[in-house]
Amino acid sequence: GENVEQHPSTLSVQEGDSAVIKCTYSDSASNYFPWYKQELGKGPQLIIDIRSNVGEKKDQRIAVTLNKTAKHFSLHITETQPEDSAVYFCAASMGSNYQLIWGAGTKLIIKP
Amino acid sequence: DARVTQTPRHKVTEMGQEVTMRCQPILGHNTVFWYRQTMMQGLELLAYFRNRAPLDDSGMPKDRFSAEMPDATLATLKIQPSEPRDSAVYFCASGLARGLRETQYFGPGTRLLVL
Repeated sequence: GENVEQHPSTLSVQEGDSAVIKCTYSDSASNYFPWYKQELGKGPQLIIDIRSNVGEKKDQRIAVTLNKTAKHFSLHITETQPEDSAVYFCAASMGSNYQLIWGAGTKLIIKP
Repeated sequence: DARVTQTPRHKVTEMGQEVTMRCQPILGHNTVFWYRQTMMQGLELLAYFRNRAPLDDSGMPKDRFSAEMPDATLATLKIQPSEPRDSAVYFCASGLARGLRETQYFGPGTRLLVL
């Protein structure tokens, strides 16, 4: 079955710098890759997603890139701000009829 | 602002007691997920339903856990009897399947502590 690995488990960056979180997946049939952000005491929320027919997607300060050949995708956050501090989860699925397979999460710490 | 609601938000109970957690999915959503989150295991899928039918509950310990959807507005997760190792945050999420994409909308979670 599908397996998603996420790195690093903890990432500490200076406010204003960029942060990159990477995930790899095992099943080449996976075609949908969302990223969720979980703030302290809350449930995860979708922040951006990408389909397998697209290599990159941007939304203001966040972007996701996908390399289907290497089976990895990454979340990029530029100009980090204190409110970006949270746990970020990547996930993969083969479509809406299949469950999401989740990465283990990355705790992002923004240092003032 | 449509949201998934979960009750109770916090629950402290003693080992051996029954625990019932409730979830109200977003109106119109046809999929409901139950997750358990611990520091050690991250997000674990326990069960999910589509159009109220259980699709997968392989992540759930069957001897003590049960999940149901009595109607489209209510999903329940029960633990009987509860054990200290069940202490975790339990999240309900709902979604609407649209082609490739099915965004999951999470509730605030039920924080369970079994003593």
